[in-house]
Amino acid sequence: DVKVTQSSRYLVKRTGEKVFLECVQDMDHENMFWYRQDPGLGLRLIYFSYDVKMKEKGDIPEGYSVSREKKERFSLILESASTNQTSMYLCASSPRKGKETQYFGPGTRLLVL
Amino acid sequence: AQKITQTQPGMFVQEKEAVTLDCTYDTSDQSYGLFWYKQPSSGEMIFLIYQGSYDEQNATEGRYSLNFQKARKSANLVISASQLGDSAMYFCAMREGRRNGNQFYFGTGTSLTVIP
Repeated sequence: DVKVTQSSRYLVKRTGEKVFLECVQDMDHENMFWYRQDPGLGLRLIYFSYDVKMKEKGDIPEGYSVSREKKERFSLILESASTNQTSMYLCASSPRKGKETQYFGPGTRLLVL
Repeated sequence: AQKITQTQPGMFVQEKEAVTLDCTYDTSDQSYGLFWYKQPSSGEMIFLIYQGSYDEQNATEGRYSLNFQKARKSANLVISASQLGDSAMYFCAMREGRRNGNQFYFGTGTSLTVIP
């Protein structure tokens, strides 16, 4: 059974804190993604990684950074959390090529106070 | 331009009736894939159905079918015999191949409410 896990389901942080969201997949997928989901805006891509230590910016990378030191793990970092980063964060993974879907983690609901 | 457009923010359907959720897409690629996902209030994204651009038959998975009209660039989801558990957000997505691997684009979603 394919599995993508995220470190927290719910997280409450203060403005200015450094926040780490971790994602782990056990399917040996090359590609991993971080999305932000807000009502009425759908899923917006923050960053994706296509290999260890390799990353590309998505549509809304400002205020975020990522780290991929191992193939199975992809971390999203909010260097200095702000209230407008309150959102649902979804991690996903997929093979680099082919017809397979992305596989999603359960999501992290982040509240920044 | 939006890659995926879902024009119905919210839909209602009577239990046991069929419902169609609209999706149009924009791509210049010849090879691409179209997906539908269901997101219940718990937040998990559940893959429902896939249609490849070269597939001539419309995809079906149980009560889900994808009405694929390539010339119109539409990929509507049809849910037959709606159930109360079908109440959720539904997202249409497209996969395009890129140098660094597949890229996925999502619509803004349709909130479906099934009325008893």
